[in-house]
Amino acid sequence: DAGVTQSPTHLIKTRGQQVTLRCSPKSGHDTVSWYQQALGQGPQFIFQYYEEEERQRGNFPDRFSGHQFPNYSSELNVNALLLGDSALYLCASSPDRRETQYFGPGTRLLVL
Amino acid sequence: QKEVEQDPGPLSVPEGAIVSLNCTYSNSAFQYFMWYRQYSRKGPELLMYTYSSGNKEDGRFTAQVDKSSKYISLFIRDSQPSDSATYLCAMSPLTSGNEKLTFGTGTRLTIIP
Repeated sequence: DAGVTQSPTHLIKTRGQQVTLRCSPKSGHDTVSWYQQALGQGPQFIFQYYEEEERQRGNFPDRFSGHQFPNYSSELNVNALLLGDSALYLCASSPDRRETQYFGPGTRLLVL
Repeated sequence: QKEVEQDPGPLSVPEGAIVSLNCTYSNSAFQYFMWYRQYSRKGPELLMYTYSSGNKEDGRFTAQVDKSSKYISLFIRDSQPSDSATYLCAMSPLTSGNEKLTFGTGTRLTIIP
């Protein structure tokens, strides 16, 4: 049984560019959450998707947006990249909104 | 003040020792408590998951939750070099509309052979 998968594994962008990160949840999971983890810090919640809708959002600007597809996979889009957006972006899935979350390996984004 | 406080370490202990990792929190709404292990440059891996107060044991790992003190702990018995990683505590109300996980900063642990 494949776990949570994310693509790409690494990405380098320049300031002002836009980026799209992708996530496929664990089989049987319908809820996807995205987190940003800066170096030396714990993950910070960005938003959560369930039934193709954003259900909850953390303290991130509108430059961060997402989407969930009918097959439960999800995308995270970040516009107008800043140097401070450099981080490990983690996707997590859960079988139900009230169950704990299982994380993918992450996408490491470097903004130059 | 952060909602979840965790000593970042680093913490170094000899192989075979008992390790104690701790977090404190301020939000009384937290009902679900988790410990994740994260190896360098990898995603967090779920270790333990407990609801409300009490103890839970799984092999060499024991999780404790004391809601009255807003304090949670993870104990690792007979520590092994493969336990060397960053340990993250996480918690959530997991109520409808509020299912996000709030993490501590993580404690970096090294087990010395």
